[in-house]
Amino acid sequence: AQSVTQLGSHVSVSEGALVLLRCNYSSSVPPYLFWYVQYPNQGLQLLLKYTSAATLVKGINGFEAEFKKSETSFHLTKPSAHMSDAAEYFCAVSESGSARQLTFGSGTQLTVLP
Amino acid sequence: NAGVTQTPKFRILKIGQSMTLQCAQDMNHNYMYWYRQDPGMGLKLIYYSVGAGITDKGEVPNGYNVSRSTTEDFPLRLELAAPSQTSVYFCASSGQKNEKLFFGSGTQLSVL
Repeated sequence: AQSVTQLGSHVSVSEGALVLLRCNYSSSVPPYLFWYVQYPNQGLQLLLKYTSAATLVKGINGFEAEFKKSETSFHLTKPSAHMSDAAEYFCAVSESGSARQLTFGSGTQLTVLP
Repeated sequence: NAGVTQTPKFRILKIGQSMTLQCAQDMNHNYMYWYRQDPGMGLKLIYYSVGAGITDKGEVPNGYNVSRSTTEDFPLRLELAAPSQTSVYFCASSGQKNEKLFFGSGTQLSVL
């Protein structure tokens, strides 16, 4: 069975500071891993996706995530936060890669302080 | 570039009422999905469809029904609304089953 845990339901960073959003997963097979972002009053958008091609995955808007099998983690980072990064971020896992088998984490609300 | 369009954006229902949440996509996607998002929780899959005329249950289908008569439209029906169905509902679509999801902006539903 697959599951996702996002540590920290709320994270605050100052503008220009490092963003680190944590995601740990469990999966019985090599997983497909995703980060989605939800801006206020909008639907979710795909930030990046891990499909085993490379452990460091680069996404849109300067975000990247590193797959660490030994730690069962897929943490999301951005070197320098921008005010426009304020949003809710969801980690998700799928053992098959199929969207109908996606399991979402509970989300992390990112606040960027001026 | 409309993408996935959901209506209405907000709705308040009384217990026992029924309603249909509309979802339409203009990307000619075969796969469509309905999710609900409860506070502090991740999205849960209610129903999905792999093409016109084909639907199947997701993780939390009880209390809901869907139909897919065209590629574009995937309405979600609540027959007897209950307070437990208070949630934000998202419709999504994808071209193939392993492709990224495109989401609508959601419908916030309250059942009182």
